Amino acid sequence: DAGVTQSPTHLIKTRGQQVTLRCSPKSGHDTVSWYQQALGQGPQFIFQYYEEEERQRGNFPDRFSGHQFPNYSSELNVNALLLGDSALYLCASSLRADTQYFGPGTRLTVL
Amino acid sequence: QKEVEQDPGPLSVPEGAIVSLNCTYSNSAFQYFMWYRQYSRKGPELLMYTYSSGNKEDGRFTAQVDKSSKYISLFIRDSQPSDSATYLCAMGPGGSNYKLTFGKGTLLTVNP
Repeated sequence: DAGVTQSPTHLIKTRGQQVTLRCSPKSGHDTVSWYQQALGQGPQFIFQYYEEEERQRGNFPDRFSGHQFPNYSSELNVNALLLGDSALYLCASSLRADTQYFGPGTRLTVL
Repeated sequence: QKEVEQDPGPLSVPEGAIVSLNCTYSNSAFQYFMWYRQYSRKGPELLMYTYSSGNKEDGRFTAQVDKSSKYISLFIRDSQPSDSATYLCAMGPGGSNYKLTFGKGTLLTVNP
């Protein structure tokens, strides 16, 4: 049974660029949440997608947007990248919204 | 005051020791509680989750929740070098609020 998968593993971008990160949920899961984890910090909730709609959003600017596809996979898009966007981006999937299982993450470096 | 407080450590113990990891929280709305283990440069791995006050045991791990004191703990018995990782507590309100709020994590090293 495949767990949560994310791509790419690593990404290097420059300030002002845009980036798209991808996530495939665990088999049988229909809900995808995205988190940002800065070095030495716990993950911070960005937003959650269910039935192809954003169901809840954390305190992140509109530069952060997402999408969920009919097969439950999801994308996170970040526009106008800032140096402070450098972090590990984590995708978590769930069937019930509470027990969330995380993928390995995408490490984004903004230069 | 942060919603969830967790001592970042680091915590270093000898192999076989009992480890106690703790978090406190301020938001009375939190109804479910989780512990995740995160190895360096990897995603968090779910260890334990519980909805109620009291203890929940799974192998060498015991999760304890005291809602009246807003305090949760994770105990690791017979700790092993493979337990060396960062341990994150997480909690959420449940119902129609799906956001998990995490502590900063405690870095644990178990020395052989």
